[in-house]
Amino acid sequence: QKEVEQDPGPLSVPEGAIVSLNCTYSNSAFQYFMWYRQYSRKGPELLMYTYSSGNKEDGRFTAQVDKSSKYISLFIRDSQPSDSATYLCAISNFGNEKLTFGTGTRLTIIP
Amino acid sequence: NAGVTQTPKFRILKIGQSMTLQCTQDMNHNYMYWYRQDPGMGLKLIYYSVGAGITDKGEVPNGYNVSRSTTEDFPLRLELAAPSQTSVYFCASSWIGGRVQPQHFGDGTRLSIL
Repeated sequence: QKEVEQDPGPLSVPEGAIVSLNCTYSNSAFQYFMWYRQYSRKGPELLMYTYSSGNKEDGRFTAQVDKSSKYISLFIRDSQPSDSATYLCAISNFGNEKLTFGTGTRLTIIP
Repeated sequence: NAGVTQTPKFRILKIGQSMTLQCTQDMNHNYMYWYRQDPGMGLKLIYYSVGAGITDKGEVPNGYNVSRSTTEDFPLRLELAAPSQTSVYFCASSWIGGRVQPQHFGDGTRLSIL
């Protein structure tokens, strides 16, 4: 079993829709959860970072962590064409300087 | 503020050639990382460094070497290029001083081995 599982997509939704992106993980020791956005031919850029269960909101983006289910989500409200990118989840545990990445979900927002 | 800078952006190598991918960061981060990204495979850690003079292997180190003589620079060397090393290479850095901190990435080097 992979440490982090992420549906690779591709996922296409109309502009203005709510997007839900998800990852599951197997190691309950993981405590730090991140979402990166990667545009074509660019490096990943940090979008959201949380280290606790529950929700964290930043503008149109909400990161949700459910440690009991080992499930993390990223919600995008009022999706825009500029949100079209690949989204990668990344997780780590305390004292571990290395991140474990999901394979990424490719998202396209259709105008 | 440049962040993490990688050079070159693109390169084509012949099998057996060698080259060095350059990476420099201006954020005074102590940790630096090299990843490769293949289609559908996510990011795989090649090598990482916890500070100047200290490096360690990641998940896929074979065929690569690194050095870290300064805080800012972390070059990745390919000694005998092979077609399996065709990939996009990303350098990243972070500050680790207790709580895990996110990594900041460069824009990558696209390498083709023919």
